[in-house]
Amino acid sequence: AQSVTQLDSQVPVFEEAPVELRCNYSSSVSVYLFWYVQYPNQGLQLLLKYLSGSTLVKGINGFEAEFNKSQTSFHLRKPSVHISDTAEYFCAVSEGGYSSASKIIFGSGTRLSIRP
Amino acid sequence: DTEVTQTPKHLVMGMTNKKSLKCEQHMGHRAMYWYKQKAKKPPELMFVYSYEKLSINESVPSRFSPECPNSSLLNLHLHALQPEDSALYLCASSRGTSGGADTQYFGPGTRLTVL
Repeated sequence: AQSVTQLDSQVPVFEEAPVELRCNYSSSVSVYLFWYVQYPNQGLQLLLKYLSGSTLVKGINGFEAEFNKSQTSFHLRKPSVHISDTAEYFCAVSEGGYSSASKIIFGSGTRLSIRP
Repeated sequence: DTEVTQTPKHLVMGMTNKKSLKCEQHMGHRAMYWYKQKAKKPPELMFVYSYEKLSINESVPSRFSPECPNSSLLNLHLHALQPEDSALYLCASSRGTSGGADTQYFGPGTRLTVL
């Protein structure tokens, strides 16, 4: 079975500082990996996803993530954060075996709080 | 248009009430999902519809009853809920053509409170 571990439940960062949110996954088959963001009182929005190909994936709002198969990691990074990046971030893996619908397994989430 | 809409935004109901949550998308997606999210937790999958047929039921109690009348609409009928069912209920949709590679697009959710 696939699983996702987000190593940090909370990450406080000063504005304009770089940030890395860590994610490790376990899977015995090919995986599809996602990062979603959830702003307060809102639904989830896709930041970026890795399906195949280049291991460096660029997403929206200046975020990027690197897929590392040997370390089974998919860490999210941003070189300079803004107050507006304050949100909950979820790493997720998509479970295979379905031809049409997808089944996502979410990590426990990391709360990113930006300090002025 | 990548929007999934959900109504109502907020719902307060008693344990003997019957209510319904509604989800709609006009992206031509053929897979639709219901999730339950408790505070400070990740979303938990409840149901998946693929081409208007129920394909996944994650052992959800029968007081939750999903319905997919057509490819654009997904309902969640609620009856005899318990206070512990209070949560944010999220709907999502995906194209339904590439399985696990498809992106799920989420609605803003319905905040449900059961008294």
